[in-house]
Amino acid sequence: DTGVSQNPRHKITKRGQNVTFRCDPISEHNRLYWYRQTLGQGPEFLTYFQNEAQLEKSRLLSDRFSAERPKGSFSTLEIQRTEQGDSAMYLCASSETGTAYNSPLHFGNGTRLTVT
Amino acid sequence: TQLLEQSPQFLSIQEGENLTVYCNSSSVFSSLQWYRQEPGEGPVLLVTVVTGGEVKKLKRLTFQFGDARKDSSLHITAAQPGDTGLYLCAGAKTSYDKVIFGPGTSLSVIP
Repeated sequence: DTGVSQNPRHKITKRGQNVTFRCDPISEHNRLYWYRQTLGQGPEFLTYFQNEAQLEKSRLLSDRFSAERPKGSFSTLEIQRTEQGDSAMYLCASSETGTAYNSPLHFGNGTRLTVT
Repeated sequence: TQLLEQSPQFLSIQEGENLTVYCNSSSVFSSLQWYRQEPGEGPVLLVTVVTGGEVKKLKRLTFQFGDARKDSSLHITAAQPGDTGLYLCAGAKTSYDKVIFGPGTSLSVIP
């Protein structure tokens, strides 16, 4: 068990550019979550997957954000036409299938995005 | 709309003091989880509470789930500098629903 891996750890980009982040979950985990977190705040839900199926996407998320999990393993989160307000830590977490209360979330260390 | 509220938002105490932080909602949750997060790292699970009225202890930490499953508390006895961090409550409304987080309580324990 190597844990949840996120790449890159840091990304600095100019406003208007597209960025893509990758998350490799724990291999046996069927569920994969993306959250966004700003300094001192709790993680804000973005979207989650059960295997390759995207179950829900936050209504707060604009159409500039898209996520995929094509083979039910790793996932990518893409932000198009980045804005300064997109600057945040993007966290990925994975968990086993089944009852939520038996399935703790295992987080990666995040990708910190800075949009200049 | 914040479904999970936490209080206080910030807490700074001296080593050896006791403290309690709270997690509240107007909604019923099938379970609540408490996580602790340090700067530059992802949150790490401390405990999951499932049954209304449940009390769980983890060394100096005591967690309680409200009878109506709408609130939870975390009590730390004799706080130590190593307890410093962001304490997050998280919950799922149903057993298969997504997990959402509260805004967190930032704890600082001063030696």
